[in-house]
Amino acid sequence: QVQLQQSGAELVKPGTSVKLSCKASGYTFTSNHMNWIKQTTGQGLEWIGIINPGSGGTTYNVKFKGKATLTVDKSSSTAFMQLSSLTPEDSAVYYCARRDGGYVMDAWGQGASVTVSS
Amino acid sequence: DIRMTQSPASLSASLGETVNIECLASEDIYSDLAWYQQKPGKSPQLLIYNANSLQNGVPSRFSGSGSGTQYSLKINSLQSEDVATYFCQQYNNYVNTFGGGTKLELK
Repeated sequence: QVQLQQSGAELVKPGTSVKLSCKASGYTFTSNHMNWIKQTTGQGLEWIGIINPGSGGTTYNVKFKGKATLTVDKSSSTAFMQLSSLTPEDSAVYYCARRDGGYVMDAWGQGASVTVSS
Repeated sequence: DIRMTQSPASLSASLGETVNIECLASEDIYSDLAWYQQKPGKSPQLLIYNANSLQNGVPSRFSGSGSGTQYSLKINSLQSEDVATYFCQQYNNYVNTFGGGTKLELK
């Protein structure tokens, strides 16, 4: 079955960067785009961007351009999201979610909590 | 970006009741709408796509309807395992956007 296993919780200092991972299994990694989503209590769910694992092509929400960088490692079927210049406003749970052929998110990782605090 | 306005924000219902959740888009999204269920401490799970298509494995008491800018999720015969927060999401625009969520509790 399709599984997306995300990396663990992170406690990081303001101004630093963090790289989250999302390891896919149960399907052909390059066959489906991968979304990244931010969830906070205040702002709800926000779409960050999407990557095509086959080509490495990316599309970002303008709000997260310069904040998030999406990459993949095809050899390990893993998607990554690096968040830079972190501030407390970046504290959230971040999800990876597979896009199916119909453009919906049909499988989600378990989420990774990022806390930005000095 | 397309704004998704979901109502109500919270809802209390009894076991066996029928529940309706609404989602209003700021522009026509041509039925490119999905509904997700999120239980506490868990990730969202896809329930409905294309406004009214049931995802594999989802109980038939869940149904979706709507078109244009107005959509709804209906839960028939509410079960205890349906306690969760429900989100709508539009994917008509490349910037996917979500509703604010409806927290469903048992009365």
